Amino acid sequence: GQQLNQSPQSMFIQEGEDVSMNCTSSSIFNTWLWYKQDPGEGPVLLIALYKAGELTSNGRLTAQFGITRKDSFLNISASIPSDVGIYFCAGSLTGNQFYFGTGTSLTVIP
Amino acid sequence: EAGVVQSPRYKIIEKKQPVAFWCNPISGHNTLYWYRQNLGQGPELLIRYENEEAVDDSQLPKDRFSAERLKGVDSTLKIQPAELGDSAVYLCASSLLAGGSGEQFFGPGTRLTVL
Repeated sequence: GQQLNQSPQSMFIQEGEDVSMNCTSSSIFNTWLWYKQDPGEGPVLLIALYKAGELTSNGRLTAQFGITRKDSFLNISASIPSDVGIYFCAGSLTGNQFYFGTGTSLTVIP
Repeated sequence: EAGVVQSPRYKIIEKKQPVAFWCNPISGHNTLYWYRQNLGQGPELLIRYENEEAVDDSQLPKDRFSAERLKGVDSTLKIQPAELGDSAVYLCASSLLAGGSGEQFFGPGTRLTVL
């Protein structure tokens, strides 16, 4: 199946710093989702985007649906230790089948 | 409200043995998904059910994998016989409606190790 490209693959940042990551696809999508996965757990939905150009926030997290519909971005402001985990993007054209990205591993250094 | 329940959480078997995973979705969720997540990768869809009907099983290796959701509630995924390459985390997810908000809620997964 298709896997979306996420970058960076991993990030090591100091607590308090802002984080930016992105996700790209070779095909267009109508829905973008961002998930966070902790070790030994399933992914947890953070933000859902349904319209090109849409900018949506969830606390310190902000995500954007790219204008081209082939990319999406996630920003985390003022990172804290509990932000540690793997962040996955997921895109879908129909809302039925979602293709997941390869993940961005975030490490926050206190 | 209880989340998606999966069991077992871990399973270690020898190759060529059969194995089964069980999933109970969130109450009232009509759509159920089985994903496989290889180490360092994102989840990949194996099969999607709407109620008791498998509406997308194009990625399910049907020679050795099978799944069922007989009463449209809980589901079982089976592998027989297991191969070394089947080692992965098998995730179950559910959503209220297919093609709706797309909000899939995941279970904790079953980590399968094939020796």
